[in-house]
Amino acid sequence: QKEVEQNSGPLSVPEGAIASLNCTYSDRVSQSFFWYRQYSGKSPELIMSIYSNGDKEDGRFTAQLNKASQYVSLLIRDSQPSDSATYLCAVNEYSSASKIIFGSGTRLSIRP
Amino acid sequence: DGGITQSPKYLFRKEGQNVTLSCEQNLNHDAMYWYRQDPGQGLRLIYYSQIVNDFQKGDIAEGYSVSREKKESFPLTVTSAQKNPTAFYLCASSIYSQVLIDEQFFGPGTRLTVL
Repeated sequence: QKEVEQNSGPLSVPEGAIASLNCTYSDRVSQSFFWYRQYSGKSPELIMSIYSNGDKEDGRFTAQLNKASQYVSLLIRDSQPSDSATYLCAVNEYSSASKIIFGSGTRLSIRP
Repeated sequence: DGGITQSPKYLFRKEGQNVTLSCEQNLNHDAMYWYRQDPGQGLRLIYYSQIVNDFQKGDIAEGYSVSREKKESFPLTVTSAQKNPTAFYLCASSIYSQVLIDEQFFGPGTRLTVL
């Protein structure tokens, strides 16, 4: 059974600081990696996708992928109270076309 | 506006009743998905469809059924065989590519409660 692991949190970060969210996955040949943000009671919203080793930046968000270590992370710079949400890591299941496995999410709280 | 719509937003089911959740997309996406989310947990795949008139079971298909008669629509029926259906149901869609797994975009969800 392929797995995606995240620390459930809550992770508490002061406003303006960098929030670092981490995710590990078990399928060594996974190729597609995604970060979703989910506010309480709402559906997930795609923030970032990353397919190659290294960093990918989009505004205040940076996704980092290390396939050798089977590790993907999301950095949020200049954290704002509106960033308080649950962040879901998702990884494709290589053996099964179109399937994505979701982690259970990390709850992030930005304190003013 | 392009997007994914789900209806109803809230649904209440009596014991022994079948109910159908609607999902429609106008993004011209080939693939559509149904997930279930329980409180404090991640998403679990129920069914998915890559093309019209074809669909595959996900990890928790028992007690559910789907159809894909049109590209735009992928309704989910929660049957009386599903013993614990109270959950948040999410529909998603994506471009279907055999090379990479494409980004999935979600509808607003349907919250189902068994009375």
